[in-house]
Amino acid sequence: EAEVAQSPRYKITEKSQAVAFWCDPISGHATLYWYRQILGQGPELLVQFQDESVVDDSQLPKDRFSAERLKGVDSTLKIQPAELGDSAMYLCASTPRERGREETQYFGPGTRLLVL
Amino acid sequence: GDSVTQMEGPVTLSEEAFLTINCTYTATGYPSLFWYVQYPGEGLQLLLKATKADDKGSNKGFEATYRKETTSFHLEKGSVQVSDSAVYFCALSLNTGGFKTIFGAGTRLFVKA
Repeated sequence: EAEVAQSPRYKITEKSQAVAFWCDPISGHATLYWYRQILGQGPELLVQFQDESVVDDSQLPKDRFSAERLKGVDSTLKIQPAELGDSAMYLCASTPRERGREETQYFGPGTRLLVL
Repeated sequence: GDSVTQMEGPVTLSEEAFLTINCTYTATGYPSLFWYVQYPGEGLQLLLKATKADDKGSNKGFEATYRKETTSFHLEKGSVQVSDSAVYFCALSLNTGGFKTIFGAGTRLFVKA
């Protein structure tokens, strides 16, 4: 069964450094989401792509976060500079194009970030 | 705004006990409702869903019914197993020119042998 791939699985960095996360959604999935999940809370949307276009980035802290999905396939989320409060799990999810299935999200394993 | 509220955990049960995790929602439109499960060290995975009022979603012995009149989608299982230990997230999805999903805070379930 196809899966959403994310790397790295774990990242430790010092504050003020730059970090980048990568996500490869399930082949053919049009919509890609990046979420931040703070320990003990549910995922919160950072950015949503439809193919290569940003649909919603209203909750993305644009002074330090950026995201791209240049060819409408895989995606990169970057933080520069990282702050202590960015320590969290970063989850990527994708959804199928098929009508009736486009609401079901398929999640990757996540990247756990620790900022020291 | 749109939101999901679910019961706080952790919930600790003995094997074969009955499980209920409460979930209520607030939405401006007519959402689809979901339960996702997250096992340790993994991402979320869909457990079940319901897309309209009175629909019942079911999977792996879990079930939940979309109750529009009480804006609820409570998760139930008649007999839990140790392997059901995980965090359960209630969520709603709305089409706002692209589907947007809002998650509850999650409820951690521990099942003791």
